[in-house]
Amino acid sequence: GENVEQHPSTLSVQEGDSAVIKCTYSDSASNYFPWYKQELGKRPQLIIDIRSNVGEKKDQRIAVTLNKTAKHFSLHITETQPEDSAVYFCAASIGGSYIPTFGRGTSLIVHP
Amino acid sequence: GAVVSQHPSWVICKSGTSVKIECRSLDFQATTMFWYRQFPKQSLMLMATSNEGSKATYEQGVEKDKFLINHASLTLSTLTVTSAHPEDSSFYICSARDLAGGQDTQYFGPGTRLTVL
Repeated sequence: GENVEQHPSTLSVQEGDSAVIKCTYSDSASNYFPWYKQELGKRPQLIIDIRSNVGEKKDQRIAVTLNKTAKHFSLHITETQPEDSAVYFCAASIGGSYIPTFGRGTSLIVHP
Repeated sequence: GAVVSQHPSWVICKSGTSVKIECRSLDFQATTMFWYRQFPKQSLMLMATSNEGSKATYEQGVEKDKFLINHASLTLSTLTVTSAHPEDSSFYICSARDLAGGQDTQYFGPGTRLTVL
């Protein structure tokens, strides 16, 4: 089955800096890659996603890039703010069956 | 985005009792819902896929007789933890698949924290 690796497990940045979280996947058939943000004790919230027919997608301060050849995708957050502090999960799935495999999560800490 | 609710948000029960958790899609129909378990500071572990009108598909290592899933309507799936034991204490999260508008997006419920004494 699919295997998703996520790095780093913890990321600490100063407010205003950029943050990058990277994920790799194993199944070349995967074609949908969502990113979720989970604050402590709350539900994961979809923040951005990308499908395999595009290489990059941007939404204000967040962007996701996908390299299908290398089977990796990354989340980029610019101008980080303290409220960006949370655990971020990447996931990969095959469209149609849509059973995503999650990465282990990255705890992002943004220091004011 | 679409809204998924879960009830109860937390429950404390005695060892040996059964606990039912409800997952509802409030503003869309979901033929597929997923049940996850999450331990502190860990990722989401898929337990089973719940399909409306048919039997759930359980992941390897998940006991189907222990975790009963019923998806009786397009907006409701239930997870019953039978004969709960302390090791079943965890955060259980459901999600529902929204296929409206040609999209295929998964929305999570707020989770249920189960504590078994």
